[in-house]
Amino acid sequence: EPEVTQTPSHQVTQMGQEVILRCVPISNHLYFYWYRQILGQKVEFLVSFYNNEISEKSEIFDDQFSVERPDGSNFTLKIRSTKLEDSAMYFCASSEWGQPNEKLFFGSGTQLSVL
Amino acid sequence: QKEVEQNSGPLSVPEGAIASLNCTYSDRVSQSFFWYRQYSGKSPELIMSIYSNGDKEDGRFTAQLNKASQYVSLLIRDSQPSDSATYLCAVTGTGGFKTIFGAGTRLFVKA
Repeated sequence: EPEVTQTPSHQVTQMGQEVILRCVPISNHLYFYWYRQILGQKVEFLVSFYNNEISEKSEIFDDQFSVERPDGSNFTLKIRSTKLEDSAMYFCASSEWGQPNEKLFFGSGTQLSVL
Repeated sequence: QKEVEQNSGPLSVPEGAIASLNCTYSDRVSQSFFWYRQYSGKSPELIMSIYSNGDKEDGRFTAQLNKASQYVSLLIRDSQPSDSATYLCAVTGTGGFKTIFGAGTRLFVKA
């Protein structure tokens, strides 16, 4: 069964460092998303991406965050200068068509720890 | 601020019983409603979607939607210990690309 793949599964970084989280969405999906979940809290929307541009972003997704689809398969989230409060599980998701009716398929997540 | 509210639980039911999970949402123009299951340390996994008022059944799961009351529920029949997880209610609005999640209800099914 097709799945969304995320790497690495765990990332530890020092505050102020840049991190890149990587995702390979399901191959025939057209819409890509990043969500995050701070331990014990809700899954929060960060950004959606379609046709090589951001289609929507949340207030969390400030200038420190960027997304890119550098080739036909990868989808990346970059955090330029990490803060302690960026520590969370980051989930990549994809959907075949756009919202609102479309179901999300999540990757297994990258646990980011900022020290 | 669009919100999705769920009772955090934990909800504890014996094996074989019906588990009933509830959710309310604040945005009246919400269009699509989903239930995801999340095991501890894992990613959310879709189990049900519902788009119109009424009931929708899939195996042991029944989703119910009442748009007038802004209320969504999930019934799990013949609950199994493997159903023990956090159940996330999620809502999407018109024209938007984001899904808003509730904080989830933790369900324990006792063998």
